Amino acid sequence: KQEVTQIPAALSVPEGENLVLNCSFTDSAIYNLQWFRQDPGKGLTSLLLIQSSQREQTSGRLNASLDKSSGRSTLYIAASQPGDSATYLCAIMNYGGATNKLIFGTGTLLAVQP
Amino acid sequence: DVKVTQSSRYLVKRTGEKVFLECVQDMDHENMFWYRQDPGLGLRLIYFSYDVKMKEKGDIPEGYSVSREKKERFSLILESASTNQTSMYLCASSLRGVSTDTQYFGPGTRLTVL
Repeated sequence: KQEVTQIPAALSVPEGENLVLNCSFTDSAIYNLQWFRQDPGKGLTSLLLIQSSQREQTSGRLNASLDKSSGRSTLYIAASQPGDSATYLCAIMNYGGATNKLIFGTGTLLAVQP
Repeated sequence: DVKVTQSSRYLVKRTGEKVFLECVQDMDHENMFWYRQDPGLGLRLIYFSYDVKMKEKGDIPEGYSVSREKKERFSLILESASTNQTSMYLCASSLRGVSTDTQYFGPGTRLTVL
């Protein structure tokens, strides 16, 4: 059974710092890994999707890497800003029945201090 | 832009009431999902649907049922609400569910059962 873990559960950094969020998973037979952002009391917004054949994806100040053999992904945020404050969730797409399901980690709550 | 809407942002119900949560997507997506999100447990899949009138149980279907009579609408039903169903409920949709497809989330419904 796939298990997804995110460490740390919470992180506080000063504005301008570069930071790394971690995600680990137990079963390397995945279709893709996705990183989402969730603002307080709101739904999830997809940030980056890495297919199993890829090693990284970039969008603006965000870079996500995938190492299937070690069961790890990282989300790198460059030059952090207060607007980056949110909960970041990683999710694995596992095959399940007629459609693919996502298995989520419990998230990292990021606070960027001005 | 994909838009997923949920009928209520906040809902308060009493134990034993029948509760309907509605979700509508406007992008002709085939797959729709219902999750609940609880502190420390992350997002857990309740039910999903890959076509009209088709449904499959997720990881925690007990106490819930669903209905998908039209492609754009996916309803979650709590037949007899209980206090342990107090949670944030999130609806999502995706085009097909292949490895390149992400899920798009609604804003969530925070349900309180008294």
